[in-house]
Amino acid sequence: QSVLTQPPSVSGAPGQRVTISCTGSSSNIGAGYDVHWYQQLPGTAPKLLIYGDSNRPSGVPDRFSGSKSGTSASLAITGLQAEDEAEYYCQSYVSSLSGSLVVFGGGTKVTVL
Amino acid sequence: QVQLVQSGAEVKRPGASVKVSCKASGYSFTRYYIHWVRQAPGQGIEWMGMINPSAGGTSYAQKLQGRLTMTRDTSTRTVYMELSSLRSDDTAVYYCASHSGNYYDAFDIWGQGTMVTVSS
Repeated sequence: QSVLTQPPSVSGAPGQRVTISCTGSSSNIGAGYDVHWYQQLPGTAPKLLIYGDSNRPSGVPDRFSGSKSGTSASLAITGLQAEDEAEYYCQSYVSSLSGSLVVFGGGTKVTVL
Repeated sequence: QVQLVQSGAEVKRPGASVKVSCKASGYSFTRYYIHWVRQAPGQGIEWMGMINPSAGGTSYAQKLQGRLTMTRDTSTRTVYMELSSLRSDDTAVYYCASHSGNYYDAFDIWGQGTMVTVSS
C-alpha cells in the first residue's frame, strides 16, 4: 500500500492527452512538499521527468507537464506518442522525527492504443 | 560523466545477508545524500533509506529498521547497502539514486540496478 495513490493504468490513442493523478494527504503533498515524476521503461532505471511539481529537466519534451493543487498532483502527456508507453511514478516527502523521508506512488502504466 | 555504478547480481539463501555497492563519479560525492530504493518483480518503487556521504548519518524506512545498514567509504566514493535476515519478499532490483543539485532534490542520477534473488 503506497503512501501516494496513483491509478494502476491509463491509456490513449496516439496524439491524445492523458493525465495521471497522484493523491496524497496533509502530511505529504498537502504539507507543501515538492512532487517529482519519473518515467520507467521496462528493464531500466527510472528517469526524472518533472521536478518541483511542474518543471522539466533539460531534454524532456514539452508534451510532459506537471501540476499540483492541495493534496494532489497530476502529470499530463499531450500529443501521446508510442514511445511514451511506460510506467510513471510520482514521488514526494513526508516529515518524520529524523527529517523528511521519501515516498513514492504505486505507479501508473501508460498504454498507447 | 556523472554516474552511479552498482555491483552485480546476487543470489542468497533465506536468512543470509547481502551487501550491494554504489560507486559515484563525475560529481561532488559528499555534497548530496545517496538514497536506496528497491523494486520487487512487477511492483512499484519502495524507498529504503538514505545516507549522508559526508558525515555518514543515515535514515531508514521504518519497516526495514533493524535489518538495513548503509555505510560509505569516502576514499573510494562508494556507498554500501547491507540487508540482513533476507526473506523471499526481499527479492527485488535495488537501485541507488542521488541528485546533482540541478533539479531541486529530485533523483536525476541513478545506478543501473542490482538484482537480488532470495531463494532456497
